[in-house]
Amino acid sequence: DAGVIQSPRHEVTEMGQEVTLRCKPISGHDYLFWYRQTMMRGLELLIYFNNNVPIDDSGMPEDRFSAKMPNASFSTLKIQPSEPRDSAVYFCASRLDSSYEQYFGPGTRLTVT
Amino acid sequence: GENVEQHPSTLSVQEGDSAVIKCTYSDSASNYFPWYKQELGKGPQLIIDIRSNVGEKKDQRIAVTLNKTAKHFSLHITETQPEDSAVYFCAASIGLTGGGNKLTFGTGTQLKVEL
Repeated sequence: DAGVIQSPRHEVTEMGQEVTLRCKPISGHDYLFWYRQTMMRGLELLIYFNNNVPIDDSGMPEDRFSAKMPNASFSTLKIQPSEPRDSAVYFCASRLDSSYEQYFGPGTRLTVT
Repeated sequence: GENVEQHPSTLSVQEGDSAVIKCTYSDSASNYFPWYKQELGKGPQLIIDIRSNVGEKKDQRIAVTLNKTAKHFSLHITETQPEDSAVYFCAASIGLTGGGNKLTFGTGTQLKVEL
């Protein structure tokens, strides 16, 4: 299996621009998670989906952030408009319904200037 | 909500020595405790986990212990090797098969294994 796939791996954008991060979970996995990693706040859960339905978005920092999962093999995390404080590494993870283990993708390093 | 504390933040050991990383958690309902290893430029990788019905689990050079009464769990790495150098994260959650499990992570331990 290819594992969780994320794109792009690196993104540099200017403040005010829209940013879209993409994730392909492991085939057959029922849950998908979006995390953000920063030096100050560590690894934080932003939102997670079960069978393409958002279950808990309490970690989404503000309305500028939105996430969708149109089908079982694709999810996006969008930031509009982006701000310098959004600079971080964003990870996507997935897991099976019958298991506790979460598998992480390689991450997208976002830099907002 | 859950709060996970992790110590130490940095740990330097000589190759062949043992390394121990400790975590405490706050929510007594948590029942799933994974450990992740993160190498530079990569995503966290699950290396071992333990559930609340087990006190200890071992996988080759890695072991995890859990004390539910004290609400702490530890990662033990024996016979450390240079390739063990990485950042290690503990996490806790109320794990439910058939339900969501929101992982709360510790702040990480930078382990350096010196030759």
